[in-house]
This record gives sequence, C-alpha cells and structure tokens, in this order.
Amino acid sequence: AQSVTQLDSQVPVFEEAPVELRCNYSSSVSVYLFWYVQYPNQGLQLLLKYLSGSTLVKGINGFEAEFNKSQTSFHLRKPSVHISDTAEYFCAVSDLGNAGNMLTFGGGTRLMVKP
Amino acid sequence: EPEVTQTPSHQVTQMGQEVILRCVPISNHLYFYWYRQILGQKVEFLVSFYNNEISEKSEIFDDQFSVERPDGSNFTLKIRSTKLEDSAMYFCASSVLAGNNEQFFGPGTRLTVL
Repeated sequence: AQSVTQLDSQVPVFEEAPVELRCNYSSSVSVYLFWYVQYPNQGLQLLLKYLSGSTLVKGINGFEAEFNKSQTSFHLRKPSVHISDTAEYFCAVSDLGNAGNMLTFGGGTRLMVKP
Repeated sequence: EPEVTQTPSHQVTQMGQEVILRCVPISNHLYFYWYRQILGQKVEFLVSFYNNEISEKSEIFDDQFSVERPDGSNFTLKIRSTKLEDSAMYFCASSVLAGNNEQFFGPGTRLTVL
C-alpha cells in the first residue's frame, strides 16, 4: 500500500515570491505522481503529473515539480506566485499495478499568498 | 470544455436515511470514481467502476454503499442508512482510461448527516 505525506499544512508567502510545497510518498512499487489544486468551492483540478521520463515536469499556471526517486519526493515549485494561486494543493500517487486506478492523496497544503 | 457535474451541491439528511448522490461524468470517459473528504482530513478513495462493475473499493466502501450507472450518462453513489460519520464532501471523478490517465473531478456534494 502507498502513502503520501505533505509536510506543511499551510504555507504563507508574499506575492511574487517563490514557493515550494513538499510531498513525500512511500510505495513498494513504481508509481505515477500527481499534483491537484482545489480552489474554494470547486473540485480538484490537475496541475501536473509524472508518469515516466524527465524528472522535471511542467504544469499549468507556471508550476513545476521534480520527481526524486532516491528521496521518494515530488515537490511542487513556482518561481513567482500570484494572489490567484491561493488554494489547497494535493499531492497524489497511483501505483502502476493498480487495476482500479485508485489515487492516494496527501493531507493537502493550503497556500496563502499575501499582497 | 467538458466537465464532471454533481448534484446536489449540498444534501442534508437525518441519520438512518438513504441518500443518493448523482454524478454525470465526461461523456467519452470509461472509468468512474467516488472519493470523499471529511472536513479537515485527506481525500479518500471509495470506489472505482468500469464496464458496469466495481474495479476496486476501499475499506470504507462497506455494505452500506453501492454504486450504479443506471443509464448512459449518470453515475450514482447510494448510502443505504446514513451515519453521522458519513458527513463529508463526496467527489465524483472520471477518466478516459485507467493507469496514467488524468482523473477529472466534479465540484463535490457536501453531505451533512444530522
């Protein structure tokens, strides 16, 4: 069984500053990795995903994430945040052998961008 | 842009009552899912559904829960006899295929059991 840990429940940051949201996972098999964003009163929207290949993945809204297999991490970064990036961010994994395609989520990180 | 829709947005029910949460997945998608998020907790997988049968279910998805695709467009989650601890946000999702395919999520139904 896999698990996902998001080390920070809240991250306050000033507008135009860089940000990193941390995600670590554990799994006995190879995994797919995802970051989802949830804006208030909305569903989960995919930001980016790692399936294979290059360990640096670029997503929407200027976000990127780097897969580090040795550290079992998939941290999300943005070089300069905007007020509109204020939202809840969820890291998730799905293991390659999973027929049902179940996603296992971390606890979420609330990004709060201040002016 | 196609999207997953869910109704109602908020459902209030008495303990012991049956509820049906409805979802309309994206039309060409083949895999359907239900997740839930209890307030302040993680998003948790409940069940996945493909080809008119359950592909996988979690420990949460006990005999009180059932899913159905009653027609070509709707995907429903039924809770037979609701408990206080069933209060949560329930998300429906769909994907074209399994594996590396993106799951598209609906906006959720907030279920409150009194």
